[in-house]
Amino acid sequence: GNSVTQMEGPVTLSEEAFLTINCTYTATGYPSLFWYVQYPGEGLQLLLKATKADDKGSNKGFEATYRKETTSFHLEKGSVQVSDSAVYFCALISFQKLVFGTGTRLLVSP
Amino acid sequence: KAGVTQTPRYLIKTRGQQVTLSCSPISGHRSVSWYQQTPGQGLQFLFEYFSETQRNKGNFPGRFSGRQFSNSRSEMNVSTLELGDSALYLCASSFPQGPNTGELFFGEGSRLTVL
Repeated sequence: GNSVTQMEGPVTLSEEAFLTINCTYTATGYPSLFWYVQYPGEGLQLLLKATKADDKGSNKGFEATYRKETTSFHLEKGSVQVSDSAVYFCALISFQKLVFGTGTRLLVSP
Repeated sequence: KAGVTQTPRYLIKTRGQQVTLSCSPISGHRSVSWYQQTPGQGLQFLFEYFSETQRNKGNFPGRFSGRQFSNSRSEMNVSTLELGDSALYLCASSFPQGPNTGELFFGEGSRLTVL
């Protein structure tokens, strides 16, 4: 079935460092891809999405590009802040429901 | 605009009991989805309701059930609780096409502990 694989965490960075969180997917066809973020004590929030190959989703300084050649949707940010500390989930649509990866915890220290 | 509201936020039950969780969607949202979040299994889809009808269902045993009311509020029930049911249960609401677009709005969750 369709699935998403994310890198294991936690990812620990200093403020203003560059962030990459890897995500690869397995799917029939080209489903829409998403990054959701879960801040401590809160529910998930949609961070960005891409609906077709080569699309770039972006929001709040985060970016991810839908790469069908490598079946990837890596999340990047040029300069992280302490407030970006959260758990990040990569996801895809499969049979009218979101299928999530296991999540990657990001810890940013001042 | 008020967000998705889930009650109760925390609860503790013992094995064999049953539990009901409630979800009030964002005003105007008629689709409600439920997910179970555990450290071992991650986020898993339980079911989705629209217009009081279950439109989609995940791979959970029949002990897990849900319903939706005419005001779009939803409840889920777990009967004969097992230790493995300990989890954060997340509700998400959306416009009717939300499950197809992936644009869901999540509540903060109900954390269930089964002893």
